[in-house]
Amino acid sequence: EAGVAQSPRYKIIEKRQSVAFWCNPISGHATLYWYQQILGQGPKLLIQFQNNGVVDDSQLPKDRFSAERLKGVDSTLKIQPAKLEDSAVYLCASSRILAVRTDTQYFGPGTRLTVL
Amino acid sequence: QQQVKQSPQSLIVQKGGISIINCAYENTAFDYFPWYQQFPGKGPALLIAIRPDVSEKKEGRFTISFNKSAKQFSLHIMDSQPGDSATYFCAATPNFGNEKLTFGTGTRLTIIP
Repeated sequence: EAGVAQSPRYKIIEKRQSVAFWCNPISGHATLYWYQQILGQGPKLLIQFQNNGVVDDSQLPKDRFSAERLKGVDSTLKIQPAKLEDSAVYLCASSRILAVRTDTQYFGPGTRLTVL
Repeated sequence: QQQVKQSPQSLIVQKGGISIINCAYENTAFDYFPWYQQFPGKGPALLIAIRPDVSEKKEGRFTISFNKSAKQFSLHIMDSQPGDSATYFCAATPNFGNEKLTFGTGTRLTIIP
């Protein structure tokens, strides 16, 4: 079974530029998550999709971040405009169902974003 | 109240020794406590998890100890090996809503020969 795919793996941009990340979850996984992992911290959930609907986006800075999951499969996360504090690894994860206690979340390798 | 506090930040253990990482929480609604292992350049991977109805769970060399009254849980790695060198995150999720995971700050474990 192929894992969660993410691209690009690395991105360097200047502040106020825009950037987009792509995620392809494991085939058949209905739930998709985007996390932000700042250096030295644990992952923080940004947004959670169930199929193509948003379940939780309470920690997504909506003035600059947006995400979509068209057709309930691939997802993109966009930042516009980027700030220095957005430098982090952006992790995508997926699971078969929305049930952390009974279903494993599988994480992709992440995209490391550096904002200069 | 949503935080999970993890210690130590970094840990160096000799090969064959026992590695111990501790976590504490305040939110009594948390009822599932997984541990994740993350190697450099990789995403976290589920290692082992426990529910509060048991005080200990063991899988191979990995054991979670859980103290519900103290709201603390810990990961023990027995006979630590160089391949165990990674960053470990504890996490917790509540028994309602979208079961959002709250992660600890991570422990960088290094096993030396």
